[in-house]
Amino acid sequence: DAGVTQSPTHLIKTRGQQVTLRCSPKSGHDTVSWYQQALGQGPQFIFQYYEEEERQRGNFPDRFSGHQFPNYSSELNVNALLLGDSALYLCASSRWLRGRSETQYFGPGTRLLVL
Amino acid sequence: GENVEQHPSTLSVQEGDSAVIKCTYSDSASNYFPWYKQELGKGPQLIIDIRSNVGEKKDQRIAVTLNKTAKHFSLHITETQPEDSAVYFCAPTQGGANNLFFGTGTRLTVIP
Repeated sequence: DAGVTQSPTHLIKTRGQQVTLRCSPKSGHDTVSWYQQALGQGPQFIFQYYEEEERQRGNFPDRFSGHQFPNYSSELNVNALLLGDSALYLCASSRWLRGRSETQYFGPGTRLLVL
Repeated sequence: GENVEQHPSTLSVQEGDSAVIKCTYSDSASNYFPWYKQELGKGPQLIIDIRSNVGEKKDQRIAVTLNKTAKHFSLHITETQPEDSAVYFCAPTQGGANNLFFGTGTRLTVIP
């Protein structure tokens, strides 16, 4: 049973560019959450998707957007990249039960470097 | 939003000793209290969690204790092994595990 998978593993972009990161949830999971982890910090919640809709959002600008597909996989898009967007981007999947997300399981992350 | 702090920020123990990491939080509505372990180059891995209707939970060498009145919960690791070396994060939240608020992290080093 595959766990949460993310692609690519590493990515280098320049300021002003746009990037798309991808996530496939663990089998049986229907909810995907995205987190940003700066070096030496704890992960920070970006947003969560369930039934192809954004359900909750953290304190991130509109440059960060996402999408969930019918097969529950998800994409994170970041426009107009800034140097400060350099971080490890983590995807977590879970089951949605009784109006809330159950335990979240994390993927290995995508390391983004903005030059 | 939730204000989460972990203590200590770094911890070194001899192999076989116990390690305790404390997490304090500000939101009294928090009702889900997980601990995650993150090894170098990997995503966080859930190691144990507890809900607010339970005071303590144990899984082999790992235990979590919760004090809701004081708004803190702790991770206890007994008989530590070198493979326990990692960064540990607490992530208290309310309403299930919708959006986890991660603590500042504790780097545990187990010395063989």
